[in-house]
Amino acid sequence: DGGITQSPKYLFRKEGQNVTLSCEQNLNHDAMYWYRQDPGQGLRLIYYSQIVNDFQKGDIAEGYSVSREKKESFPLTVTSAQKNPTAFYLCASSTQRGGTDTQYFGPGTRLTVL
Amino acid sequence: EDQVTQSPEALRLQEGESSSLNCSYTVSGLRGLFWYRQDPGKGPEFLFTLYSAGEEKEKERLKATLTKKESFLHITAPKPEDSATYLCAVQGWKEAGSYQLTFGKGTKLSVIP
Repeated sequence: DGGITQSPKYLFRKEGQNVTLSCEQNLNHDAMYWYRQDPGQGLRLIYYSQIVNDFQKGDIAEGYSVSREKKESFPLTVTSAQKNPTAFYLCASSTQRGGTDTQYFGPGTRLTVL
Repeated sequence: EDQVTQSPEALRLQEGESSSLNCSYTVSGLRGLFWYRQDPGKGPEFLFTLYSAGEEKEKERLKATLTKKESFLHITAPKPEDSATYLCAVQGWKEAGSYQLTFGKGTKLSVIP
């Protein structure tokens, strides 16, 4: 089955630690995205990548880093510089062909800072 | 700056009681308006894309409509399994190659048996 997988489902981080969230897709999509979701707020874009070895900052990139070494994978690192990392993190992908582009989401990773 | 406002924030319906969810938007040239369904602790599930004013799309008990300023998600004779948070997002024309979405905060729908 084609789809987007995220791991782990739950992640706990101690103060001062960097953690990496995994996102893999087998939909052959060109573009991949990372969003953060907090209670009572809309999804906010952290980073996105439209092609391998290239990525762009979204609205809230500070304290986060990404890489895109393979088309299928777009890992997100939450660094110790991110002051309030507790949130639900969602990865998405899309084809980016044509005039309008539908994004499909993974199941999410819930990150909690201890 | 693109903006999306969804109302109401929460809606409780009796099973079979039809209603509508609203999504008001401002965007510099609309590429598409998207509706997603999100269950607690899960990723959003794609429902519809609407491209231009006057367009309508249906799926089971859901029907989405679009005007130049807002979209409605009509729910006909809802069932308890329709309980979820419904998210609206817009995709506007930005710099070349950018397909960013702007999301609303969602409407949490509860359908009571």
